[in-house]
Amino acid sequence: DQQVKQNSPSLSVQEGRISILNCDYTNSMFDYFLWYKKYPAEGPTFLISISSIKDKNEDGRFTVFLNKSAKHLSLHIVPSQPGDSAVYFCAASRRGTALIFGKGTTLSVSS
Amino acid sequence: ETGVTQSPTHLIKTRGQQVTLRCSSQSGHNTVSWYQQALGQGPQFIFQYYREEENGRGNFPPRFSGLQFPNYSSELNVNALELDDSALYLCASSLEARKGTGELFFGEGSRLTVL
Repeated sequence: DQQVKQNSPSLSVQEGRISILNCDYTNSMFDYFLWYKKYPAEGPTFLISISSIKDKNEDGRFTVFLNKSAKHLSLHIVPSQPGDSAVYFCAASRRGTALIFGKGTTLSVSS
Repeated sequence: ETGVTQSPTHLIKTRGQQVTLRCSSQSGHNTVSWYQQALGQGPQFIFQYYREEENGRGNFPPRFSGLQFPNYSSELNVNALELDDSALYLCASSLEARKGTGELFFGEGSRLTVL
């Protein structure tokens, strides 16, 4: 029973264009959603988060959108850079309990 | 400020053996969580320790156990190793003040191979 789903295992984008990574969830009790980035041989690094009371949060080139009615969130990276190439994990939590992660999406940004 | 450090980084064990993985949490962080990341999967929650007490557990059998010490460092112990225990084990710490957000700071992980 996967509560957090990332249905696209991979995404390829050209440098300078927009990258859109998607995530769906099933548990309407989640109140925080987070995106983590992971490079090979490193642990996941926190990227950006959003509370369930908001529908958008922006931090530089990264914007997360939350659509509660569709139980869907997305991460937009504009403009994409080769250094953004990594595995991106969507995660959700309820009242500060354990993070539930998706399986990840591998983003490749070509120059 | 030092980040989360884990040891060992890589290890190989045989089925039936026991393993202990160690984690030093980020300075000022009093909550430690352990995750298992199998190949091609996202991290899966094993358990969390807060002020030396277990504070939540995922769907893992009792042969997965842990400890948190007064300095907030932590150990993950796995007994009777099985082949499916082969994975990257991630330790993460968090600030009490940010507990409600779920925000975690991860170490680089310990890669366990069970033969």
